[in-house]
Amino acid sequence: AQSVTQLDSQVPVFEEAPVELRCNYSSSVSVYLFWYVQYPNQGLQLLLKYLSGSTLVKGINGFEAEFNKSQTSFHLRKPSVHISDTAEYFCAVSDRRNTPLVFGKGTRLSVIA
Amino acid sequence: DVKVTQSSRYLVKRTGEKVFLECVQDMDHENMFWYRQDPGLGLRLIYFSYDVKMKEKGDIPEGYSVSREKKERFSLILESASTNQTSMYLCASRTGTSGNYNEQFFGPGTRLTVL
Repeated sequence: AQSVTQLDSQVPVFEEAPVELRCNYSSSVSVYLFWYVQYPNQGLQLLLKYLSGSTLVKGINGFEAEFNKSQTSFHLRKPSVHISDTAEYFCAVSDRRNTPLVFGKGTRLSVIA
Repeated sequence: DVKVTQSSRYLVKRTGEKVFLECVQDMDHENMFWYRQDPGLGLRLIYFSYDVKMKEKGDIPEGYSVSREKKERFSLILESASTNQTSMYLCASRTGTSGNYNEQFFGPGTRLTVL
């Protein structure tokens, strides 16, 4: 079965600094990869997804992620964060089209003014 | 816009009570899911349904059951609530049509406290 590891449970970062949130998944021939964001007291919202094609994926709010098959990673990056990016971020994976997503434990991003 | 709604944002119940959590989606999605979210554990899948009257166990189904009598509604049932079921419950839906992998859309969550 697929599994996802988010290496950092909490990431504090100053406003306007760059950030990288790390995600590794268990190896599989093919994978579908997602990043979701959860703002306080809300449900999850899709940031971006990798299904196939270009390994660099751009999402909403200036986020991007790179699929690296050899390292089984899908790290999320933003070159300059804002206070409003403070939220919890979840990486998720599936290795077959019609199965539910498997989620990581989440990374809490705190942006400091 | 896809909308997934959950019947309550906050719920407080007593140990031993039967609890119903309701989820409704308005996009004619075939697939629906129930997750629970706990600090440090992320989201864990309880049950899911590929279509009406269908259900599949997820990773942590013990103590829960589900009902899907209509396509738009997926109910999670706690037959006899216990304190270890205090959690945030998230419902999601997804189209089941063929093609590429489809996004799961989430509701706002129900925070359940069992006393």
